[in-house]
Order: sequence, then structure tokens, then C-alpha cells
Amino acid sequence: KAGVTQTPRYLIKTRGQQVTLSCSPISGHRSVSWYQQTPGQGLQFLFEYFSETQRNKGNFPGRFSGRQFSNSRSEMNVSTLELGDSALYLCASSWALAGGPNEQFFGPGTRLTVL
Amino acid sequence: AQSVTQLGSHVSVSEGALVLLRCNYSSSVPPYLFWYVQYPNQGLQLLLKYTSAATLVKGINGFEAEFKKSETSFHLTKPSAHMSDAAEYFCAVMGENTDKLIFGTGTRLQVFP
Repeated sequence: KAGVTQTPRYLIKTRGQQVTLSCSPISGHRSVSWYQQTPGQGLQFLFEYFSETQRNKGNFPGRFSGRQFSNSRSEMNVSTLELGDSALYLCASSWALAGGPNEQFFGPGTRLTVL
Repeated sequence: AQSVTQLGSHVSVSEGALVLLRCNYSSSVPPYLFWYVQYPNQGLQLLLKYTSAATLVKGINGFEAEFKKSETSFHLTKPSAHMSDAAEYFCAVMGENTDKLIFGTGTRLQVFP
């Protein structure tokens, strides 16, 4: 069974540009969450999607957005990139069964470098 | 608000020695607690989880953790460290009716021969 896949694995952008990251969850998983990992701030929750609806949002500026498609695949977008957006962006998926807790399966991440 | 605190950003042990990684939680309700491991340039892998079924939880690769409500702790242990255990370990808490994980700051484990 294929795991969570994220594309691209590595990305280099310059300040002011925008970027779109993609996440394909494990087949059958209905929930997708995104996290940002930096040396300074650690692992921080960005957002969670379930059935194409944002269910939870972390404390990030509006430049960070996401969406989920009907096949559960998800994308996140960062507009007007800043140097501080350089990070490893991790995607996680789960079955999203009622009653919880739902084990989160993580992808390998996308390493974004902003120059 | 829920949170977890990991004591010690770096832990070094000799191969064969006991591994003890500390995690304390703050939660107004019984929490769901997790330990994840991250190897270099990889995502996170679940080691074990506490969901109130049993206070002593056994995970993969010989790791286990004990939930102690009186101490608000969920420390991770392994009786005998192996070189392949060298990685970063994260404790996390999850609320009810959400998949959102709140992570600790992580502990980097070094294993010396």
C-alpha cells in the first residue's frame, strides 16, 4: 500500500514568489493535515482538511492557504514568500473515523528554500 | 489549552544503555498522546500512542511509554539502545474530535558505540 506522497520533494524560490505544494494521502484516508517544521519554531500545525472542508487552522498569516479535492488530495499555497517561510512542510493523512484518535501517517515532506 | 513539554533537547547514551526521553503534558481532559520518530531527511513515523486503554503502551522497535496521570507524564523508554535509534523524537498531544497534533520541541537522541 502506497504511503503519503508529497511533491515536489525540494523547491527553491525567491522572495515575493508564490508556491504550491501537493499531497496525496493514503488511499481511503479522508483527512489531510499540514505542518511546518523549522529549527526555530519546531513542528507547527497549519491546517486540517476533511471532505474538502477546512476543519482546523493554525496560527499562520493569510498568505498560507490550502484546499482539498474530492479525491482527498490536498494542496497548500504560500503567496508572497518570505525568507522565514523556508521550512520542511509535512503532510499527514488519516482515516478520520469518528471518536478518534486517528493515527496520522506522514509523508516525507517538501523542503522549501526561499532565497 | 493542550501542550506537551519535552525535557532535554539532546540525549546521549551508549549502545546497550537505557533510553529515557521525557515528556510532560498539559491538558484539562484526558489526552491522546503520541511519540513520533524522525530520521534525517524523512517524515515522522509513529512509535506508539496512548488512548486511555492501558497506561503502559508498547510500540515499535522495542520502545514503550507509561502514562502517569499523577505526574502528567508520558516518558518514552527503551531498555537497550541500538545505533539505529539515533534520531529525533517528538511527543505530541491530540485533542478530541480533531486530527490536529500539538508537538513538543523534540529530543535528539545520539547513540555512541
